[in-house]
Amino acid sequence: GENVEQHPSTLSVQEGDSAVIKCTYSDSASNYFPWYKQELGKRPQLIIDIRSNVGEKKDQRIAVTLNKTAKHFSLHITETQPEDSAVYFCAASNGNNRLAFGKGNQVVVIP
Amino acid sequence: DVKVTQSSRYLVKRTGEKVFLECVQDMDHENMFWYRQDPGLGLRLIYFSYDVKMKEKGDIPEGYSVSREKKERFSLILESASTNQTSMYLCASSLSEPSYEQYFGPGTRLTVT
Repeated sequence: GENVEQHPSTLSVQEGDSAVIKCTYSDSASNYFPWYKQELGKRPQLIIDIRSNVGEKKDQRIAVTLNKTAKHFSLHITETQPEDSAVYFCAASNGNNRLAFGKGNQVVVIP
Repeated sequence: DVKVTQSSRYLVKRTGEKVFLECVQDMDHENMFWYRQDPGLGLRLIYFSYDVKMKEKGDIPEGYSVSREKKERFSLILESASTNQTSMYLCASSLSEPSYEQYFGPGTRLTVT
């Protein structure tokens, strides 16, 4: 099955700086790559996703890039704010309605 | 607005008890999922269901079973709870293609003593 790995496990950034989280996946048939954000004590929620026919997608301060050749995709958060502090999960799907999640990255934005 | 609810936020059970966790979604989603969330291990899929009475094992099905008698309801059953099943349990639902977005419930923190 699909194996998704995230790096680094914890990321601390100064408020206003950028944060980048990278994920790698193993199944070359995967074609859907979402990112979920989970704030402390709350449920995971989708923040952005990308399909394999697109190389980059942006939504305000967040963007996701996909490199199919290298089988990795990254979440970019610009101008970080305290409310960006959360655990971020990447995931991948090969079209079987299932998502294989990574183990999560803790992002801490230091005011 | 999609709503996924779970029957309990916190649950304490004794070793050997049979435990039922209930999940209900109100958006007519075909797919429903049960995950277990443990620190450092992310979200691990226990079981999922793509239709009423249909189920598939996820990555860690041992010690669990599920039931989906109605489209909106998906139950996770711990036949004989053990201390290593102490965890946060998250339910989710989604449509089938082209959208794979999963909507999560608030979670049930289960403690087995």
